[in-house]
Amino acid sequence: QKEVEQNSGPLSVPEGAIASLNCTYSDRGSQSFFWYRQYSGKSPELIMFIYSNGDKEDGRFTAQLNKASQYVSLLIRDSQPSDSATYLCAVRSGGTYKYIFGTGTRLKVLA
Amino acid sequence: GAVVSQHPSRVICKSGTSVKIECRSLDFQATTMFWYRQFPKQSLMLMATSNEGSKATYEQGVEKDKFLINHASLTLSTLTVTSAHPEDSSFYICSAPKGSGGGNTEAFFGQGTRLTVV
Repeated sequence: QKEVEQNSGPLSVPEGAIASLNCTYSDRGSQSFFWYRQYSGKSPELIMFIYSNGDKEDGRFTAQLNKASQYVSLLIRDSQPSDSATYLCAVRSGGTYKYIFGTGTRLKVLA
Repeated sequence: GAVVSQHPSRVICKSGTSVKIECRSLDFQATTMFWYRQFPKQSLMLMATSNEGSKATYEQGVEKDKFLINHASLTLSTLTVTSAHPEDSSFYICSAPKGSGGGNTEAFFGQGTRLTVV
């Protein structure tokens, strides 16, 4: 069973702080990793994707990938109340279009 | 990013009736589309893979006779929930990957359809 694990939260951080969201996956053949943000009642929207070990930065967001540990994380700097949402980690195995989603972590940024 | 349009966004139907949901890729062709279902406070669960010009592939536990999928063109997939029951009430989301299947492939999601069966 290929799994993607996330802590469901809620993770509460004060406005302006760094929010750290974590995700582990079981399939060592996974090659692409995605972070989606989902507001209540809405569809997921892509924040970032990462393929290579290390860090990838995009604005206030940094994705970190460690394939040896089967671990991917998302850091949100200068968190804003508008960042409050559920963050879904998704993993795609090489050669397929299938995405396996984690259960999501609910983030609350407190004003 | 690419645009995937899903319609309708909300539908209420009576128990025993059928409901059709459409998913269109507006600015790219998608030979493959995915249908997900999401219950409250749960993650997206893949129901089936829709393949243009061939039969859909269903995930374990998903009834293919109840959830009919038709991928008639490179830009349109439809999901029909037949003989709907209250337990089918959920948020249904389609997605379409854009890319060659390699590392640069991303999935774009439709807006989702909130189905309520009464």
